[in-house]
Amino acid sequence: AQSVAQPEDQVNVAEGNPLTVKCTYSVSGNPYLFWYVQYPNRGLQFLLKYITGDNLVKGSYGFEAEFNKSQTSFHLKKPSALVSDSALYFCAVRDGNYQLIWGAGTKLIIKP
Amino acid sequence: NAGVMQNPRHLVRRRGQEARLRCSPMKGHSHVYWYRQLPEEGLKFMVYLQKENIIDESGMPKERFSAEFPKEGPSILRIQQVVRGDSAAYFCASSVQGASSYEQYFGPGTRLTVT
Repeated sequence: AQSVAQPEDQVNVAEGNPLTVKCTYSVSGNPYLFWYVQYPNRGLQFLLKYITGDNLVKGSYGFEAEFNKSQTSFHLKKPSALVSDSALYFCAVRDGNYQLIWGAGTKLIIKP
Repeated sequence: NAGVMQNPRHLVRRRGQEARLRCSPMKGHSHVYWYRQLPEEGLKFMVYLQKENIIDESGMPKERFSAEFPKEGPSILRIQQVVRGDSAAYFCASSVQGASSYEQYFGPGTRLTVT
């Protein structure tokens, strides 16, 4: 069965430091992987996706993610965190079916 | 290009009433998805529709919930005889195609409170 795990409920990072939000997945076929961000009382905004090709994917707001097939991971990264990056981050996966399977979310807190 | 529109943004219903949630997809998008989000939780897929067709409703409760996406007008998620457990944020998303590689764009959500 498909599944997505975000092992950290919360990640705390000082402003200016690099950040990583972890995501691992389990699918039966080729994965299509997505990251979304949700600000308080708002809908989700698409950040980036991996479909095929280069394992390092660049997205919106300076975020990037690295696809690692052997570790079945798709960690979200940013070289230098901003306070405005504080939000809830969701990883999601599809394997050719219609449904997006979502992780439980990771709350990212960037401290000034 | 307007994004995905949802209305109302907030909806309060008493137990036993009906709730109707509306979603207008992005212009040019003909694929609509509905999700439910409970507080501090991720999204749960409910239903996937194309115009006049329900493609996948495997995430929808068998009773009291229904969805449609008519040829004209918005997609509607209908909850009959609401109960307190239906209180949640309901998000609609749309995509230009239904293939797995296409990202979905989300509306701001409708927050349903059942009193």
